[in-house]
Amino acid sequence: QVQLQESGPGLVKPSQTLSLTCTVSGGSTSSGSYYWSWIRQPAGKGLEWIGRIHSTESTNYNPSLKSRVTISIDTSKNQFSLKLSSVTAADTAVYYCARVPTSGYYRMDYWGQGTLVTVSS
Amino acid sequence: DIQLTQSPSFLSASVGDRVTITCRASQGINTYLAWYQQKPGKAPKLLIYGASTLESGVPSRFSGSGSGTEFTLTISSLQPEDFATYYCQQLNTYPWTFGQGTKVEIK
Repeated sequence: QVQLQESGPGLVKPSQTLSLTCTVSGGSTSSGSYYWSWIRQPAGKGLEWIGRIHSTESTNYNPSLKSRVTISIDTSKNQFSLKLSSVTAADTAVYYCARVPTSGYYRMDYWGQGTLVTVSS
Repeated sequence: DIQLTQSPSFLSASVGDRVTITCRASQGINTYLAWYQQKPGKAPKLLIYGASTLESGVPSRFSGSGSGTEFTLTISSLQPEDFATYYCQQLNTYPWTFGQGTKVEIK
């Protein structure tokens, strides 16, 4: 069974860089059959797609965050990561990682449980 | 960006009711639409993809239809475990976007 698990600091100071890692088990990030994606959700609000990466290291980011976002992949560790720079209180949210099959219709079929990141001094 | 507008945003219904949620896209997205269910404190769960394909393990009371700019999610007979928030998502064009959500509560 595929499982994804987010990890990283739960508290980040304003203007600093938020860094999260998603560890995949039961599947391989080196597989060319998937995109690996980050999504976030502020408390009580809707879902916002942040970006995605492929094992070839090709990426696509949400333009609303593109200047501050970097997604990378480490297939040797079966992980992919998110860095969001110059954070403000508006970046406080639950951050999810998810898998997206590239065959047929795209969809986010497996999700991590989510991790709350609070931006505060 | 492609905007997805769900209606209604809030729905009050009883167990056994037939429930329909609509998702309208600001431009055509073929059938690259997925539906998710989210319960409080949990990650979203995939229900439907390709507008009408039921994800493995999802009860058959859930169904999806539509193409282009108008889509629907139908729950044929609402069960107690179906009270949740539902989101549509388009994966036709970057950036992938979500609807604002529809909260289904118990009447």
